Amino acid sequence: QSALTQPASVSGSPGQSITISCTGTTSDVGGYNYVSWFQQHPGKAPKLMIYEVNNRPSGVSNRFSGSKSGNTASLTISGLQADDEADYYCSSYTRSSSWVFGGGTKLTVL
Amino acid sequence: QVQLQESGPGLVKPSETLSLTCTVSGGSISSNYWSWIRQPPGKGLEWIGYIYYSGSTNYNPSLKSRVTISVDTSKNQFSLKLKSVTAADTAVYFCARGGEVGTDFDFWGQGTLVTVSS
Repeated sequence: QSALTQPASVSGSPGQSITISCTGTTSDVGGYNYVSWFQQHPGKAPKLMIYEVNNRPSGVSNRFSGSKSGNTASLTISGLQADDEADYYCSSYTRSSSWVFGGGTKLTVL
Repeated sequence: QVQLQESGPGLVKPSETLSLTCTVSGGSISSNYWSWIRQPPGKGLEWIGYIYYSGSTNYNPSLKSRVTISVDTSKNQFSLKLKSVTAADTAVYFCARGGEVGTDFDFWGQGTLVTVSS
């Protein structure tokens, strides 16, 4: 099972919006609505930000939103804030009844 | 609030078995799925496998031949054993709640670094 494809890095200025893509196949992202997004600050555990494509856990800001089209899922962060600077990972359930993660995207807030 | 804490040796010799335990507090281990996930230094995340409180398991196909996950409900703990380790198994190992489809990795331990070296 190959890792999902994410851009290595994205950047944006405070207040702007950015989108991170996560591309898989029909065996994972395209085949299931079980795509999640995680935020990870340096030296910390990942934090669930989006689950089942476009659902936010309680306590997560509505500036974070998710979507999916075909084999590609996306995370959009609006109104960028300094604390949003972190690594972001997507994950998807797969046809082999396992989970696969993306390679991660480093978000820089300029 | 559910909390998870990993524990175990930080250094394992090549060809030996890596053993870690995750202790769950603030909630029962029952009626939930529990996973192990790892992250090599500077790299991405890799799901290792999950266990249900009843003992049923599901493993990453790429690691299945070397992995065993077990649960001790009396201690509110679940454990990971990874045999025949190599330097490629050096990683931060996280335990997390979730793993079956429809569940989410919503609570995580802080992670513990395990280095494979002689």
